[in-house]
Amino acid sequence: QSVLTQPPSVSGAPGQRVTISCTGSSSNIGAPYDVHWYQHLPGTAPKLLIHNNNNRPSGVPDRFSGSKSGPSASLAITGLQAEDEADYYCQSYDSSLSGPVFGGGTKLTVL
Amino acid sequence: QVHLVQSGAEVKPPGASVKVSCKAFEYTFTNYPIHWVRQAPGQTPEWMGWINTGNGNTKYSQRFQGRVTISKDTSASTAYMELSGLRSEDTAVYYCVRFVVVSASMGWFDPWGQGTLVTVSS
Repeated sequence: QSVLTQPPSVSGAPGQRVTISCTGSSSNIGAPYDVHWYQHLPGTAPKLLIHNNNNRPSGVPDRFSGSKSGPSASLAITGLQAEDEADYYCQSYDSSLSGPVFGGGTKLTVL
Repeated sequence: QVHLVQSGAEVKPPGASVKVSCKAFEYTFTNYPIHWVRQAPGQTPEWMGWINTGNGNTKYSQRFQGRVTISKDTSASTAYMELSGLRSEDTAVYYCVRFVVVSASMGWFDPWGQGTLVTVSS
């Protein structure tokens, strides 16, 4: 059971928009601690996609965006491409556990 | 380009210990903490602990307290994670990650090492 809750899977056709939710509680996202998102392609190391809720590192396409409200956060991907097929994880800090915590991960399938 | 390179896959029997290394490239090693995160097959990533690469202070997740030791060799820009008393449930990919600090508890992981598969099997 993950501290942060994500849907196990989402899917969309090329060109469409999908969103991935990440729900926490008052000891993490709602505290409020920032949320970060990572993309994990099979056989590779996870890669930072969004930091501090809605900031893209250089090199990350602006098709990826993040938002946060209360104890929840979302990752939106527009103009879906086949190369976006991956697992996506949210991450925050939890004051009860005194350490970083992750969501269970969401597998994105591009139809 | 900033990157972390980890040691190779390991196969260990139950009860043994494993030590994984993580070498940093293209940045000042002592300026950023190194954390360790593991991911068992089909499971969510799990934070294990971290080391202040400047002063060597460490902090561990309660879940691994007493079994995990994180250390460093500053001259080699390398961090280490040793896990003892291995059991089958410790079979996982172990990642080192650089922590980009905003405050004492705020920051993000970038980059990640390539991962080290540790298999615990008799």
